[in-house]
Amino acid sequence: SAVISQKPSRDICQRGTSLTIQCQVDSQVTMMFWYRQQPGQSLTLIATANQGSEATYESGFVIDKFPISRPNLTFSTLTVSNMSPEDSSIYLCSVGVSAGGKTQYFGPGTRLLVL
Amino acid sequence: GNSVTQMEGPVTLSEEAFLTINCTYTATGYPSLFWYVQYPGEGLQLLLKATKADDKGSNKGFEATYRKETTSFHLEKGSVQVSDSAVYFCALSDDTGGGNKLTFGTGTQLKVEL
Repeated sequence: SAVISQKPSRDICQRGTSLTIQCQVDSQVTMMFWYRQQPGQSLTLIATANQGSEATYESGFVIDKFPISRPNLTFSTLTVSNMSPEDSSIYLCSVGVSAGGKTQYFGPGTRLLVL
Repeated sequence: GNSVTQMEGPVTLSEEAFLTINCTYTATGYPSLFWYVQYPGEGLQLLLKATKADDKGSNKGFEATYRKETTSFHLEKGSVQVSDSAVYFCALSDDTGGGNKLTFGTGTQLKVEL
């Protein structure tokens, strides 16, 4: 398994501003992922963060809105840009471990409320 | 494409009752299957997994068997406790194309009462 931490754990932001979420893992991992969980909903993959290359975004998510950094094998950031109330969600990072990275372990999440 | 279908909740049970949460899937290739649990105000925790047909995953009294013939991965527990109250997510990982992406079901809320 892996121990994953996220900062901040929660935040309240004004519309039009940006927030950067940090994800730190206690071991080197190849694959890191960012998910969004809207209130009362399931998880939706935003992007896969690859070290040394640009993130791969899922349909409906774009780099200008959700820029991602992956400077090394233990750290990644997700920025939510130009926020609106519709961005109010829980944002979770996960890492893929074990054989082929098929098993994902999740961080505790960042709870974001945009006013 | 891949999809996961879970029974709708909330499921409300009395303590010590038997639990079944149904999960069926559609996938190309040979997926790995997972159950995750989300306690109130927390992130997702991996509960159990199975990587091939007929495998049984088990943890904390929960178990699920990978049934390829019925494309199912139902979660069961013989005697639930109040502390099991949470949202349970079924998911599959299909590494076709090397993506290792997880596809989640909609989640099933479990409420256990005394």
